[in-house]
This record gives sequence, C-alpha cells and structure tokens, in this order.
Amino acid sequence: EDKVVQSPLSLVVHEGDTVTLNCSYEVTNFRSLLWYKQEKKAPTFLFMLTSSGIEKKSGRLSSILDKKELFSILNITATQTGDSAVYLCAAWGNNNDMRFGAGTRLTVKP
Amino acid sequence: EAGVAQSPRYKIIEKRQSVAFWCNPISGHATLYWYQQILGQGPKLLIQFQNNGVVDDSQLPKDRFSAERLKGVDSTLKIQPAKLEDSAVYLCASSLAFGHGELFFGEGSRLTVL
Repeated sequence: EDKVVQSPLSLVVHEGDTVTLNCSYEVTNFRSLLWYKQEKKAPTFLFMLTSSGIEKKSGRLSSILDKKELFSILNITATQTGDSAVYLCAAWGNNNDMRFGAGTRLTVKP
Repeated sequence: EAGVAQSPRYKIIEKRQSVAFWCNPISGHATLYWYQQILGQGPKLLIQFQNNGVVDDSQLPKDRFSAERLKGVDSTLKIQPAKLEDSAVYLCASSLAFGHGELFFGEGSRLTVL
C-alpha cells in the first residue's frame, strides 16, 4: 500500500534556529512530491518536486527530492514564530490520488 | 481569483444524526476531492471526482457516507448516521489537472460528533 512517512512528528525550536523536516515515501507510479504548510485552517502550498537533486527555494524555505532513496527534506533557516505550523508532505501515486503523511508539528519559541 | 469555498465551517451534532457539507471549487477546476483530517493526522482521501464522475471512492465508508457532484461544479458530502469517530475536519480541494500538480484547499468544515 502506498505510504508517506514524516519525521519528526513534532519539533520545538527557538527563533533563529535552522530546522530540517523529513519525508519518505513508497508510492506506486510516483509522479511528484508536494509540501504544504497548515496553520489553523487550510493547507497552503509550498513546493512541488518532480526531479531528483534540484533544490527549490522560497525565501528561508528550501526543499529537495531524492528519487533514488525515496525521500525529501524541507529546510527552514532563521526560523520565526510565524513558521509555527504543521508541515505536510504528500505524494501523487497510484489511482491518481494525493497521499499525505501525518505531518510534522513545528513550534518556534521566541 | 476566488478560492475553494466550504460551508458550514463548524458543525456539532449528536451521534446517529445526519450532516451535510458543501463545497464550491475554483472556477474551471475539473477535479474535486474530499479529504477527512482527524486531529493529529494527515488528510485522508475520501472521494475524488473528475467533472461529475467519481474517479476513486475506495476509502469512502459507503454505509454512512455519500457524496455527489451534480453538474460537475459544486459538491455535497453527507454523513448519515454519524458516529463518534467521524469527528474531524472535512477538507475540500480542487485542481486544474488530473493526477498531478497542486491541490487548492478550502478552509474546511470541522465536525464534532457528541
């Protein structure tokens, strides 16, 4: 069965720290991997990754995909309290459905 | 561009009662999804429509859940009768492409079953 596993499940850091969130996947007919940020509402899109080794960046956030080892990481540098959220990883797989991991809850303390 | 609209935002019912959620996707998005997100878990797909046809409903508990997308635009998800374990946020999402690309999510409908 297709699955997406995220680690750690929760993380507490202080402002200014750098964090790395992990996502591994086992998905049939893999096409792409996506990262979303979820505060107390709808998930909002961060990145979509389709090719190995190509880093995507947006401000302090960056992400990369390794299709050989079947994982992706999301890095956040110089964290701020506004980065506190649940970060969801998802992969397009079999049956054309997007399978989500359980999420990593990030708490950034002042 | 208007986003995905959902209603109601919150609903509290007692077990064995029924409830319905409504979703209006982004204009022009042919694919519509209903996800269930239980507290502390990632979203789980319940049903996926392409226009007004069901593409995948393999994870929909069909003895109590039903969904329709008449005319290929807005959609309704119904639960009847509700159980305690149905307490969750029901997220509707839509996408332009089928089977790839970004999903756009609504704010969700939070259901509490007492």
